[in-house]
Amino acid sequence: RKEVEQDPGPFNVPEGATVAFNCTYSNSASQSFFWYRQDCRKEPKLLMSVYSSGNEDGRFTAQLNRASQYISLLIRDSKLSDSATYLCVVGPLGYSTLTFGKGTMLLVSP
Amino acid sequence: SAVISQKPSRDICQRGTSLTIQCQVDSQVTMMFWYRQQPGQSLTLIATANQGSEATYESGFVIDKFPISRPNLTFSTLTVSNMSPEDSSIYLCSVVGSGGSRGGELFFGEGSRLTVL
Repeated sequence: RKEVEQDPGPFNVPEGATVAFNCTYSNSASQSFFWYRQDCRKEPKLLMSVYSSGNEDGRFTAQLNRASQYISLLIRDSKLSDSATYLCVVGPLGYSTLTFGKGTMLLVSP
Repeated sequence: SAVISQKPSRDICQRGTSLTIQCQVDSQVTMMFWYRQQPGQSLTLIATANQGSEATYESGFVIDKFPISRPNLTFSTLTVSNMSPEDSSIYLCSVVGSGGSRGGELFFGEGSRLTVL
């Protein structure tokens, strides 16, 4: 099993749709979970951290399921500007040895 | 937040040559990280650049191939030595913003896109 696994997509959705991505991880000792966004030919940027209780930031909701070892990202009311690759990032506490997934590509069309 | 400048932004090199990538941060940071992102692949950590000590390399990466310098708390270089086409990739410098012990936000430079012919 890969350390961090994501469906590469692409997910093609119309504007206004709700879309969800899952990411599974293999290391049950993982403590840090993030979603990063990477636009085409750009560097990754933090979208949101994922907390055990789940968290929401505007149209974005992230959840963690430790029992099944996956995290999810839900995007409501998709915008054209949401088109990007979403990277799942998992690791221990601290800054090193974060493991990045290959990313899920989202394409939002008019 | 942290502002990171990387140079060069892109380069095309001949096999067997070496290229040094520079990373400048607008604030002092303890750790700087060098990542590689090969086409269609995830980001892979090459090494952690520590000021005042040798870099810490991840499995599969060695100092002879990827020597790193960290002369001060705002600057680091990564050299890709004796390049082959397999080294064609985007190389990204990264630092940690504030975030406490949970693991803070990673800020990335814009990357250096390397093509080896």
